[in-house]
Amino acid sequence: DSGVTQTPKHLITATGQRVTLRCSPRSGDLSVYWYQQSLDQGLQFLIQYYNGEERAKGNILERFSAQQFPDLHSELNLSSLELGDSALYFCASSPRTGTNNSPLHFGNGTRLTVT
Amino acid sequence: GESVGLHLPTLSVQEGDNSIINCAYSNSASDYFIWYKQESGKGPQFIIDIRSNMDKRQGQRVTVLLNKTVKHLSLQIAATQPGDSAVYFCAENRAGTASKLTFGTGTRLQVTL
Repeated sequence: DSGVTQTPKHLITATGQRVTLRCSPRSGDLSVYWYQQSLDQGLQFLIQYYNGEERAKGNILERFSAQQFPDLHSELNLSSLELGDSALYFCASSPRTGTNNSPLHFGNGTRLTVT
Repeated sequence: GESVGLHLPTLSVQEGDNSIINCAYSNSASDYFIWYKQESGKGPQFIIDIRSNMDKRQGQRVTVLLNKTVKHLSLQIAATQPGDSAVYFCAENRAGTASKLTFGTGTRLQVTL
């Protein structure tokens, strides 16, 4: 168990809808990262937050947004959903923002299916 | 459920043999490398890491080798067990990218009895 908790485990929704994915980082970790894993793209970095502030952005669509709350949990909001958004969404956490390299610890993901 | 790409390279190894999984990276500015194991239906699990000032690091049954000259990373698993069957990813942290990891495409390891 990595200590990173993601909910829900599965989500099925229709095109055009909006969903929220939730992540609780490991105790003591200040950084949260969101990754998307699809069958043809592998693990793609979306966005990183550190202690409530956005720190890095990757291949995140404008329809997607995220935030990190004072208690350090994070939410990833996906709106105007399209079929191609169906994927596994992983959250990871690490103690720091990157001044010292440290491994990311991943949750077990949310499987999103858009129909 | 399936969580990785359809066209992954696959390595089949007999139980008890040693496994070697290879990874090439392209960015010479990468300074930190990690190997992850992903089992079906789970998130990537940290195995071992190595910094660019090292060329070898050993863990329990695993060894990572880093060749910066040819930008190559390998993961060696000794005495491979059925529980080692999974997809293995290498990931690199490019300097100055705030610990954002860039993942390789993955290799599926199949352990046969």
